[in-house]
Amino acid sequence: AQSVAQPEDQVNVAEGNPLTVKCTYSVSGNPYLFWYVQYPNRGLQFLLKYITGDNLVKGSYGFEAEFNKSQTSFHLKKPSALVSDSALYFCAVRDPRRALTFGSGTRLQVQP
Amino acid sequence: ETGVTQTPRHLVMGMTNKKSLKCEQHLGHNAMYWYKQSAKKPLELMFVYSLEERVENNSVPSRFSPECPNSSHLFLHLHTLQPEDSALYLCASSQRYGDSSPYEQYFGPGTRLTVT
Repeated sequence: AQSVAQPEDQVNVAEGNPLTVKCTYSVSGNPYLFWYVQYPNRGLQFLLKYITGDNLVKGSYGFEAEFNKSQTSFHLKKPSALVSDSALYFCAVRDPRRALTFGSGTRLQVQP
Repeated sequence: ETGVTQTPRHLVMGMTNKKSLKCEQHLGHNAMYWYKQSAKKPLELMFVYSLEERVENNSVPSRFSPECPNSSHLFLHLHTLQPEDSALYLCASSQRYGDSSPYEQYFGPGTRLTVT
């Protein structure tokens, strides 16, 4: 069965500093990996996805994610955090012919 | 906005009530989903519809009854709920489901349900 783990419940970072939100996955075969963000009182918004090819995927709002097959990881990154990036971030994995399986989420707090 | 709308945004109901949640997508997608989001728990996939046919039902109690009358609309009918059913219910859609193409899902804002 496919699964995804987000080991940190919360990540704190100062504005202007780089940020990383961690995600590891388990899936048979080639994974499709996604990152979503959820702002308060809103649904999830798609940020980026990895299908195949370049291990560094660029997405919305300046976010990017690095796929590492040997470590089965797909960490979300941003070179310079903004206070407005504070939100709940979800990693998700998909097997072909399956719906998405989401991680438990990581709350990102960016301090001014 | 994502092109997926949900009504109502907030709902308070007693355990003996019957109510329905509505989802509508304006994206021309063929697959629609219901998720339950509870505090400190991963999103739980409840139901998946592809081309108006239910293709996944993840051990959801029968007090939750989905309906998909067409590819743009999805309902979740609720009856005799329990307090532990209080949660944010999210609807999502994607272009297709069940093949090898990794289509992302687009989510509505959710319905915050409180069962008293």
